[in-house]
Amino acid sequence: DTAVSQTPKYLVTQMGNDKSIKCEQNLGHDTMYWYKQDSKKFLKIMFSYNNKELIINETVPNRFSPKSPDKAHLNLHINSLELGDSAVYFCASSQDLAVAYNEQFFGPGTRLTVL
Amino acid sequence: GQQLNQSPQSMFIQEGEDVSMNCTSSSIFNTWLWYKQDPGEGPVLLIALYKAGELTSNGRLTAQFGITRKDSFLNISASIPSDVGIYFCAGQRYTAGGTSYGKLTFGQGTILTVHP
Repeated sequence: DTAVSQTPKYLVTQMGNDKSIKCEQNLGHDTMYWYKQDSKKFLKIMFSYNNKELIINETVPNRFSPKSPDKAHLNLHINSLELGDSAVYFCASSQDLAVAYNEQFFGPGTRLTVL
Repeated sequence: GQQLNQSPQSMFIQEGEDVSMNCTSSSIFNTWLWYKQDPGEGPVLLIALYKAGELTSNGRLTAQFGITRKDSFLNISASIPSDVGIYFCAGQRYTAGGTSYGKLTFGQGTILTVHP
């Protein structure tokens, strides 16, 4: 079974549309994240949730709204898509927010293309 | 925001050669990590470093946490074709309360190409 899974793998849509990306982890982790990887492969954190509570929001436009229905899921909804939203979005999870580093396990990514 | 400067940006090497890449920061990090990303996949952790000066190996990979806590390097010995991919350094900083909040700051990545 895949530890961290994302759907869809590819998403092509028109500017102005609203879309969602789903993420699920079966590792029993408390903490989940969304990262954005741009065309230059730069990875930047967007959000993190711990036990369904928002912990990190890295000045992401409010068109992006994460939702965590339970600890195993962290979905990303994007309103009014713009060309600049085209990127690969990665979901990740880690055990918790303990002092010692907890390995973050990444999903396979969702390539979003906005036309 | 905080950035990590990773170099080189890309490397083209022959199979069997050794590889070295490094990451520097203007600020201190408490943890340094090295990830590898294969095409179409998410990053996978290779090595995690927790203490200044720490030298850790994972098979043909060796990484060190710089004494100043502002840099780290990764070496790959005797490269093979499956080493191809993008290598990322990442740093993590603890808050005053000792909880990291999990935020990782990534370097720009090093694209490694290995010719058979």
